[in-house]
Amino acid sequence: AQSVTQLDSHVSVSEGTPVLLRCNYSSSYSPSLFWYVQHPNKGLQLLLKYTSAATLVKGINGFEAEFKKSETSFHLTKPSAHMSDAAEYFCVVSRYFGNEKLTFGTGTRLTIIP
Amino acid sequence: DAGVIQSPRHEVTEMGQEVTLRCKPISGHDYLFWYRQTMMRGLELLIYFNNNVPIDDSGMPEDRFSAKMPNASFSTLKIQPSEPRDSAVYFCASSFGGATRDQPQHFGDGTRLSIL
Repeated sequence: AQSVTQLDSHVSVSEGTPVLLRCNYSSSYSPSLFWYVQHPNKGLQLLLKYTSAATLVKGINGFEAEFKKSETSFHLTKPSAHMSDAAEYFCVVSRYFGNEKLTFGTGTRLTIIP
Repeated sequence: DAGVIQSPRHEVTEMGQEVTLRCKPISGHDYLFWYRQTMMRGLELLIYFNNNVPIDDSGMPEDRFSAKMPNASFSTLKIQPSEPRDSAVYFCASSFGGATRDQPQHFGDGTRLSIL
């Protein structure tokens, strides 16, 4: 079985300050992990993915995430928040082999304060 | 490149009516997924296809829901008869190779369905 827990339902940061969105996962297999972003009235867009290569993964728009097996975490960070980063962020886990189902976290709503 | 295209973007209809949602996946993708998103339940996988064949429909809530994929470039999700509790945003997504190739799913912009 696999699961993912997003530790914060809502995060607010000031523009220009760092962003940290936390995600912990549970998986019986070596997982693939993703972060997706959803802007209002839009579908989900892939930010970055981890697939057992480098543990520090760089994504689009300046985001990156670090896979820490010992902590079963995959936190999303960005050094400096921009107003356009305001959106809902989903941490997602999938099994590496077979089953194509993704398991989604409940989402973290990121608000940027001007 | 064109992404996943869904139609209609918005649908408002009365309870009991048939609703058909449409999806055109990205060309060359061999997996297609239908999701439902609500505030209460978040994102739920309803069904997915591989090479036009339904693989797992365990997420389809009731017999009122059905999905088809007659060819590689088109899929439909049908609700008949519709009920107010079916109101949600329905997303279609497609990918190439599935999880075995660690390929991400690409999502459409969704259909916002309201059943009155």
